[in-house]
Amino acid sequence: AQTVTQSQPEMSVQEAETVTLSCTYDTSESDYYLFWYKQPPSRQMILVIRQEAYKQQNATENRFSVNFQKAAKSFSLKISDSQLGDAAMYFCAYNPYGGSQGNLIFGKGTKLSVKP
Amino acid sequence: EADIYQTPRYLVIGTGKKITLECSQTMGHDKMYWYQQDPGMELHLIHYSYGVNSTEKGDLSSESTVSRIRTEHFPLTLESARPSHTSQYLCASSESTPPNSYNEQFFGPGTRLTVL
Repeated sequence: AQTVTQSQPEMSVQEAETVTLSCTYDTSESDYYLFWYKQPPSRQMILVIRQEAYKQQNATENRFSVNFQKAAKSFSLKISDSQLGDAAMYFCAYNPYGGSQGNLIFGKGTKLSVKP
Repeated sequence: EADIYQTPRYLVIGTGKKITLECSQTMGHDKMYWYQQDPGMELHLIHYSYGVNSTEKGDLSSESTVSRIRTEHFPLTLESARPSHTSQYLCASSESTPPNSYNEQFFGPGTRLTVL
């Protein structure tokens, strides 16, 4: 069964600094999608960034980038120039390629605090 | 503005009561999902639907039931609430996409349920 592991329950970063959130996953599939979702306190969960496993190039969305290492089954999220609004729970998620359910398998999340 | 709504946002009820958690989306998405999320834990899929009159159980066993009579509406019902049902329930929706294509899920704000 596929699993997603986030080994950092909580992280803290100083405003304007860079922070990296870790995620590892286990799967026997060769094609799949990986996502990072952000859940601000009492607000809706939103997609931050996605990565297709067949793409070697790491995805980037403005201040957010990933380090995808397929062989190591690692998918970390780097947040550059951290802002107060980045404070949230961050969930790593996995979706098999063409998965019939569209089912996302989530990690337990990392709570990110941003210090002014 | 296209969005996904959940009501109520917070609900405190006594054991044995019947409750319905509402979820509606205005994006015309065919696929809808219900997730259960305990504090500090990952999201678990409990129900999903691919369209009108289509409902399936997810990975996590749940005593709740769902219905999909209209595309935009996907309510979740607990016939007899118990303290073990205390949790946050998140609704999500996504487009139907061709095989081997990702489908971003859009999440509602969640309903935090407490059963006394």
